[in-house]
Amino acid sequence: NAGVTQTPKFQVLKTGQSMTLQCAQDMNHNSMYWYRQDPGMGLRLIYYSASEGTTDKGEVPNGYNVSRLNKREFSLRLESAAPSQTSVYFCASRNGWVEAFFGQGTRLTVV
Amino acid sequence: SQQGEEDPQALSIQEGENATMNCSYKTSINNLQWYRQNSGRGLVHLILIRSNEREKHSGRLRVTLDTSKKSSSLLITASRAADTASYFCATDADTNAGKSTFGDGTTLTVKP
Repeated sequence: NAGVTQTPKFQVLKTGQSMTLQCAQDMNHNSMYWYRQDPGMGLRLIYYSASEGTTDKGEVPNGYNVSRLNKREFSLRLESAAPSQTSVYFCASRNGWVEAFFGQGTRLTVV
Repeated sequence: SQQGEEDPQALSIQEGENATMNCSYKTSINNLQWYRQNSGRGLVHLILIRSNEREKHSGRLRVTLDTSKKSSSLLITASRAADTASYFCATDADTNAGKSTFGDGTTLTVKP
């Protein structure tokens, strides 16, 4: 039982490049989330998916797109990376109003 | 803006002492959660308290919730060096099922 798995763990991009962050959970959770965490701050919600086939914007969605590929997988895409998107990205999953389970994070640097 | 705000931002104590962190929030909530984050790692859930509960315990952790003051506190008793981490509160508002909003956290350092 791996929980929430994110790939890659580290990535360096040049400004304007694109990439997709992958997230998979094996807990049969309905809801999945993408957060970003900037230094010294809490997590801010980028996008979430309440159930398979649905996605919705969070607090900071600009510059990102998501795909809920199936119940297990939720990917985050940066179409044209900017230095302001340098951050640590966390994926999480949960079922309803209970605790969330987090991946180990993807540390992204845009130069 | 963040729904939850932790206080203090940083806390340094000796092993064996108690650590208290506070969280304030702005809107009506369904529940409030506390998470721990070790440096460079993902968040780990500690405890969840629902809006109709006032206090919960889990091992050395004690969480209180005062909905009239829109605040919560996390008490870690008999702290250990291994408790050194950042602690975050997160709230689920009544109207946003499943979309937790996080505070900026309290960084706890426990000195051996």
